[in-house]
Order: sequence, then structure tokens, then C-alpha cells
Amino acid sequence: QLQLRESGPGLVKPSETLSLMCTVSAGSLRSDSHYWAWIRQPPGKRLEWIGSIYHTGRTFNNPSLQSRMTLSVDTSKNQFSLRLRSVTAADAAVYYCARHPLEELLETFYFDSWGQGTLVTVSS
Amino acid sequence: DIVMTQSQDSLAVSLGEKATVNCRSSQSLLNSSDKKRYLAWYQHKAGQPPKLLIYWAVTRKPGVPDRFSGAGSGTDFTLTISSLQAEDVAVYYCQQYSSTPYTFGQGTRLEIK
Repeated sequence: QLQLRESGPGLVKPSETLSLMCTVSAGSLRSDSHYWAWIRQPPGKRLEWIGSIYHTGRTFNNPSLQSRMTLSVDTSKNQFSLRLRSVTAADAAVYYCARHPLEELLETFYFDSWGQGTLVTVSS
Repeated sequence: DIVMTQSQDSLAVSLGEKATVNCRSSQSLLNSSDKKRYLAWYQHKAGQPPKLLIYWAVTRKPGVPDRFSGAGSGTDFTLTISSLQAEDVAVYYCQQYSSTPYTFGQGTRLEIK
């Protein structure tokens, strides 16, 4: 059964860069049928889609975060990553990695598998 | 951005009774080309990741119990649990994937009465 696991520092200083990695197991990042996504949930707030990446490197980003974010993929390690620059307290959240399908060759953005999530705190 | 609004922040239902969670979108999620409604429902239990229940507004993910069902039009949607079980206690979220950015409702906390 597909498993996704987030990893990265739990504490990031304001103005610095948040870097998270998602490792995929029991499945291949090279799947032609899936995209890979990051989603976050700040404390007490709703879930927020951050962005998605395909194994070719094609990305879709949330416009509200696009100027600060970079998604990348390493198919040799079955991992994909998120970098978010210039973080503030508003970036504190549980960050999830997830998968969503291509259906009939079209990207569809419902998320059918999720990692457990990792809590990121922003504090000096 | 499309705003997703769930009409109940919390809902208490007796075991074995029907639970209905409501969700409204600020724009129609019905695609005129493919006639599909771009809406998903998730169940989120404490300490676990969200779990996809329903997509295309009405399609149950394989393995999800058939007491869970989805319905709705272009802007108004419901998730129904036909007979509430103790293990259904969770927060339920709707999500639109009709247009970017893909947005979620604020969640409805379902409890046992």
C-alpha cells in the first residue's frame, strides 16, 4: 500500500527558508497516472493546497505562494520536496504531502493518499 | 478564489441515525463540458491524515463503507452518513477542484449525541 512520509525541520526562524521532503514508498514517483502535492493546515484554520508536481518536473502552484515556493522531484530517490522562502508566523502549520490522479490524461486535484503530516513552527 | 462554506461547524448525531454535512461553493463546480461536479469529501480523524471519501461529488472511493454517500448540484453539496457509527467521529471537509487554487471548506466536526 502506498505510503508517503514527510520529513524536515520542525522549527524554522522567521525570514528563513522552510525545506520539506516527502518520501514515497510502495509506489513510484514515476507513475504516469499521478501528481504529487503539498497541502498545509495552520492551527485552527482550513486546509490549503500549496502546489503539485509531476515526475517530469511540471508544476502547478497556488498563486498566493508562488513567489516564495519551489517544488522539485528526485525520481531516483522517490522523493519530492518543497522549499518556502521568507517564512513568517503565518506559515506555521501541519504540512502534508499527498497524491492526486490524472484521469483521462487530465490533472484532477482531489487527493487520494496523504502522508501523516509534519508540524512546522516558525519562531526565533 | 472559490470559497467553500460548510454550514455547520459542528454536528451531533445519535448512533445509528443519519448525519448530513452541508457544503456550498461560491461558484458552480459543474463543468459544462464533461457534466462532472468537481467536489471531494474527506474524513479527518485526530492524529491521522485526511482520508478521501468521495470524489466527483458522488463517487465513493473503493473501500469506503457504503453508508457514506455524496450528492449535490452546481453549488450545494451534501455528505450523508446513513447510519452513524462510533468510528465516524471526525472532522469532515469538502474541497473543490474545479479551478485553481483548489480550496477546502472550514470543516464540520461530527460528534455522537
